[in-house]
Amino acid sequence: SQKIEQNSEALNIQEGKTATLTCNYTNYSPAYLQWYRQDPGRGPVFLLLIRENEKEKRKERLKVTFDTTLKQSLFHITASQPADSATYLCALNQAGTALIFGKGTTLSVSS
Amino acid sequence: ETGVTQTPRHLVMGMTNKKSLKCEQHLGHNAMYWYKQSAKKPLELMFVYNFKEQTENNSVPSRFSPECPNSSHLFLHLHTLQPEDSALYLCASSQEPRTEFGYEQYFGPGTRLTVT
Repeated sequence: SQKIEQNSEALNIQEGKTATLTCNYTNYSPAYLQWYRQDPGRGPVFLLLIRENEKEKRKERLKVTFDTTLKQSLFHITASQPADSATYLCALNQAGTALIFGKGTTLSVSS
Repeated sequence: ETGVTQTPRHLVMGMTNKKSLKCEQHLGHNAMYWYKQSAKKPLELMFVYNFKEQTENNSVPSRFSPECPNSSHLFLHLHTLQPEDSALYLCASSQEPRTEFGYEQYFGPGTRLTVT
């Protein structure tokens, strides 16, 4: 069956370090992958999209990679700040079907 | 108002009650969605609407009944719910429902539902 796994439920890092979150999938061939941020009691907010023919995408302190051979995406936040503390969700598509979301990784950045 | 709004933000209802959740999007999008988010579980897609027509129903129990009177408004009518239906219900919209184009989804703040 199709499955999406985000490496861990929780990730704790110190301010200034780089946070790396992992999204692995099986039995999918997604055309793209999206990353969202969700704060407690709020809806997810779109951050980045990376397509299957793109290796890397950047936006300010965020970087996403997509390896279709490994079936994995890495989401990096450089120079992390306490304000980056949130839950980060990855989502995949199959052509013509809805997005499939992972459970999310909760990032805590301590000062 | 901008973006996607949802009312009420919190709802407590008994198992025999009937209530409705409301969602409105101010983005001019064509597609609207209902998701259920339970603790420790991924977002579960419930319904998809495209130009007011339902295009997807992910085997949702009939005690959940969606309504989409126009492309800006979406309702979720609730009746005879069970305690396990307690969750955060999220509404979202996107430019197009066909996901191969990669349009991002814009979410509302959600309704925290508790069924007693």
